[in-house]
Amino acid sequence: ILNVEQSPQSLHVQEGDSTNFTCSFPSSNFYALHWYRWETAKSPEALFVMTLNGDEKKKGRISATLNTKEGYSYLYIKGSQPEDSATYLCAFNRRGNKLVFGAGTILRVKS
Amino acid sequence: DTAVSQTPKYLVTQMGNDKSIKCEQNLGHDTMYWYKQDSKKFLKIMFSYNNKELIINETVPNRFSPKSPDKAHLNLHINSLELGDSAVYFCASSRLAGGGGELFFGEGSRLTVL
Repeated sequence: ILNVEQSPQSLHVQEGDSTNFTCSFPSSNFYALHWYRWETAKSPEALFVMTLNGDEKKKGRISATLNTKEGYSYLYIKGSQPEDSATYLCAFNRRGNKLVFGAGTILRVKS
Repeated sequence: DTAVSQTPKYLVTQMGNDKSIKCEQNLGHDTMYWYKQDSKKFLKIMFSYNNKELIINETVPNRFSPKSPDKAHLNLHINSLELGDSAVYFCASSRLAGGGGELFFGEGSRLTVL
């Protein structure tokens, strides 16, 4: 059984704060790590797909890092805005295997 | 144009009925999926098709049967609906199979079984 764990479960921050979340996954036979952003009443949207140890990806104020040897990825949001409020999902798979999602981190940004 | 579209968005039905949810993608992807959002809000894979061929079939009751008439469509048929089937079902597609490519999700179909 593949366990993908995300922490914290939820997070409330003030507008302008920077924040980060963690995704932990089994480190053996790594293939890919995905991050998705899921706004209420919408569908999940991909932020990043990361495949190489040490990968760092950035999209605007959001960035992610990947450590496949120790089995974790961080997602960072710089200068949080109310529109960043969403659930952030990570998902992991081994080559040829299904993508397994974590439970998500719920972010609420107060203005 | 919606990239991945599911119909219906809402479905309320009685226990024991048979119902279908349809999914279409216009992205030219070869791989399509059905996910179920369970009671704890986890997204759990049910099925995956690559170019009309079933490649992932999780431990799902055989009352659930996917059908892919072509690589742009993946429908989900559910026989003899039970209360526990109430959930949101998401269709998705990706360019690559096996998790190497990002998933594009539909907006979900909320099924309520009474």
